[in-house]
Amino acid sequence: ILNVEQSPQSLHVQEGDSTNFTCSFPSSNFYALHWYRWETAKSPEALFVMTLNGDEKKKGRISATLNTKEGYSYLYIKGSQPEDSATYLCAFHRTALIFGKGTTLSVSS
Amino acid sequence: DGGITQSPKYLFRKEGQNVTLSCEQNLNHDAMYWYRQDPGQGLRLIYYSQIVNDFQKGDIAEGYSVSREKKESFPLTVTSAQKNPTAFYLCASTRSPFNEKLFFGSGTQLSVL
Repeated sequence: ILNVEQSPQSLHVQEGDSTNFTCSFPSSNFYALHWYRWETAKSPEALFVMTLNGDEKKKGRISATLNTKEGYSYLYIKGSQPEDSATYLCAFHRTALIFGKGTTLSVSS
Repeated sequence: DGGITQSPKYLFRKEGQNVTLSCEQNLNHDAMYWYRQDPGQGLRLIYYSQIVNDFQKGDIAEGYSVSREKKESFPLTVTSAQKNPTAFYLCASTRSPFNEKLFFGSGTQLSVL
């Protein structure tokens, strides 16, 4: 079993704060790195699929970077809003997606 | 609308009983997956199937069985050999097993009576 590590496990920020999370994964035999957002009472939804070293993706206020050589990805949220409250999952793709435990974000207004 | 349907939403299992969780998709996706979530844990892979009539064990396949007789369907059976079945089960699918995002169902909560 290969390990995908996410940090922090949880965090709480105020509305308007910017924040970032880390995902660490094995740097060998890289195929793809996924980010998902999982809101309470909903299904996880894909944010980004990243395949190239140095890749940067952006979706509104959320962006992600990828370093395959050192095995990490960062997810950034600029100007957090209460609707950003969710668990953010990263997943490493080998023959199937292997997920980390997630980072749970809580944004207070 | 296309999507993934899991049923039932809640399921209760008696000791020694096998139960089957349904997962159906009309997205014409080739690959389908079953994950399990326990409190404080991430999503752990049980089984996956990249094409019809073929499936592979994930990290925690013991006590589970699957079939993939149709492209649209990937049912998961929780057998009596699974000693700790209480968990939230998520089914997912993707168009191609390589570098494509997953679409998830709404999940089934399984509890033991």
